[in-house]
Amino acid sequence: ETGVTQTPRHLVMGMTNKKSLKCEQHLGHNAMYWYKQSAKKPLELMFVYSLEERVENNSVPSRFSPECPNSSHLFLHLHTLQPEDSALYLCASSQVAGGTDYGYTFGSGTRLTVV
Amino acid sequence: AQSVTQLDSQVPVFEEAPVELRCNYSSSVSVYLFWYVQYPNQGLQLLLKYLSGSTLVKGINGFEAEFNKSQTSFHLRKPSVHISDTAEYFCAVSDTGTASKLTFGTGTRLQVTL
Repeated sequence: ETGVTQTPRHLVMGMTNKKSLKCEQHLGHNAMYWYKQSAKKPLELMFVYSLEERVENNSVPSRFSPECPNSSHLFLHLHTLQPEDSALYLCASSQVAGGTDYGYTFGSGTRLTVV
Repeated sequence: AQSVTQLDSQVPVFEEAPVELRCNYSSSVSVYLFWYVQYPNQGLQLLLKYLSGSTLVKGINGFEAEFNKSQTSFHLRKPSVHISDTAEYFCAVSDTGTASKLTFGTGTRLQVTL
């Protein structure tokens, strides 16, 4: 399998549930990202793991928790979400070398609905 | 910090007609520029990128873009569109000094009709 794979493709969860989104890249990249895509808004960068260092967006609520156990896998743990968290969550990876980022490869996304 | 402006939220065009999707950016330092396409219910796919060198960049599916530093623009063009080009197109910029953080525009919906 090649590229960036995200599971599940669709997720419906209640506000009291705990769930996790999974992302796996088979490209040998050294950086991985979580983006949130809401209707009529720019893509919002949530978290970056670059060269095994985590970089956070301070505006992301603590009910979102990332985990990157190795350079190929990335998780987004969700708990006590709100209806406004319903969105498409995109994972991406890239190769960063010598200060140059050669462009992201995106997964197909997880469509999350919070009820 | 950098920003990206895509002035057109929607661009309707007839099949086989040419199209230009506009992108302007703002940055105080040198940048890398990208165009991505998103088909319904899918993630984003890289169309083309400008890192350095020739200002005219050719991408997949017959698209090309031209980097204009003086006008801080990176407009996307295709001489003849097809129905299958109907999708959302995103322009993105990253600061060459701080790779790994793309800033995206709000997207342009290209609607191709017969």
